[in-house]
Amino acid sequence: KAGVTQTPRYLIKTRGQQVTLSCSPISGHRSVSWYQQTPGQGLQFLFEYFSETQRNKGNFPGRFSGRQFSNSRSEMNVSTLELGDSALYLCASSLGFSGSSDTQYFGPGTRLTVL
Amino acid sequence: GIQVEQSPPDLILQEGANSTLRCNFSDSVNNLQWFHQNPWGQLINLFYIPSGTKQNGRLSATTVATERYSLLYISSSQTTDSGVYFCAVVTTLTGGGNKLTFGTGTQLKVEL
Repeated sequence: KAGVTQTPRYLIKTRGQQVTLSCSPISGHRSVSWYQQTPGQGLQFLFEYFSETQRNKGNFPGRFSGRQFSNSRSEMNVSTLELGDSALYLCASSLGFSGSSDTQYFGPGTRLTVL
Repeated sequence: GIQVEQSPPDLILQEGANSTLRCNFSDSVNNLQWFHQNPWGQLINLFYIPSGTKQNGRLSATTVATERYSLLYISSSQTTDSGVYFCAVVTTLTGGGNKLTFGTGTQLKVEL
């Protein structure tokens, strides 16, 4: 079974631009979560999508948004990029049932650099 | 929110040595995962361990939920074990689904 895939793997943008990142979950998984990793803040939860709906959201500004399609693929969008948005963006997929035993599996990440 | 702390922050080992990484958390949790992040950034699942002890080859993990800590043991370390080790506590959210709260990580370097 194929793992979680993310595209693109690397991205360079300039301040003020917007960016869209894509995540394809493991087949059969209905939940996609996004995390941001920076040297200063570590790994932080952005949001989670399940059945095309944002089910949970972390503490990030509205410039960070996302969506999920009927095939469970998810995109996240960052508008009006700031230098501090430079980070590794990781997505994780899981079956999505409620309960702590639902394991999340991570993709390879997209490394975004904002100049 | 819940706080997750890991120690030590950095560790350098000679190949073949053993090590213990610790993860402390500030509140009761539903579950806990250990990950290894390789130099390319990929987070690889190591253990899903709410309590007790699990072993997988040279790695084993123990979680004592009542005392709010987990330990990851690496025996006979190899250079390929280098990278960052994260523990993450699993919280079931009110909207359904889970959220991972990650620790600060332990950067491990194994030298020949």
